[in-house]
Amino acid sequence: EVQLVESGGGLIQPGGSLRLSCAASEFSVSSNYMSWVRQAPGKGLEWVSVIYDGGSTFYADSVKGRFTISRDNSKNTLYLQMNSLRAEDTAVYYCTRVISTWQIGYFDLWGRGTLVTVSS
Amino acid sequence: DIHMTQSPSTLSASIGDRVTITCRASQSISSWLAWYQQKPGKAPNLLIYKASTLESGVPSRFSGSGSGTEFTLTISSLQPDDLATYYCQQYNSYSTFGQGTKVEIK
Repeated sequence: EVQLVESGGGLIQPGGSLRLSCAASEFSVSSNYMSWVRQAPGKGLEWVSVIYDGGSTFYADSVKGRFTISRDNSKNTLYLQMNSLRAEDTAVYYCTRVISTWQIGYFDLWGRGTLVTVSS
Repeated sequence: DIHMTQSPSTLSASIGDRVTITCRASQSISSWLAWYQQKPGKAPNLLIYKASTLESGVPSRFSGSGSGTEFTLTISSLQPDDLATYYCQQYNSYSTFGQGTKVEIK
């Protein structure tokens, strides 16, 4: 079955770091644009980051310099390294596959999400 | 950054009603717009892309239209399963989402 499964969320103190993982099945992460989208509790959706099939990466201004998107082709897994976490980073983080246009595209496959809570 | 504004924020309608949700972009995005449905506690699900193309497997009662800065999502005959929040997304310049429209069944 084509699917994405996120892991790595949890409770973390402000200023801390966390790495999210997203394991893909039945398709290749390296052959697609892949992205992270987050949703704060009770709020709307916010695009976070994208990695192109060629390896280029881009970020929303709200996370630039603090978050790093990457992938391990051998494990067919996408990552999001989150540093200097703030309370406003509290959200469910979704891993998505992107049907690319040019800078990004639309999100045709979503994982179930993993909750990150930043609190002391 | 391109700002997306949806209206209304909440919509209450009866089964069988025709429902329309509007999404406006702060600048032209051509037809680079998608619509998603999110049911409570679930991940979003793609309904429509490129403003009017129905994703495979999505019921034909859903349709999308528009270009430039104004777009609509229409449900031709509201069903109980359509209780959800709907989001528009522009992908002309990276990505931004509308704030969502919650559809309630009257």
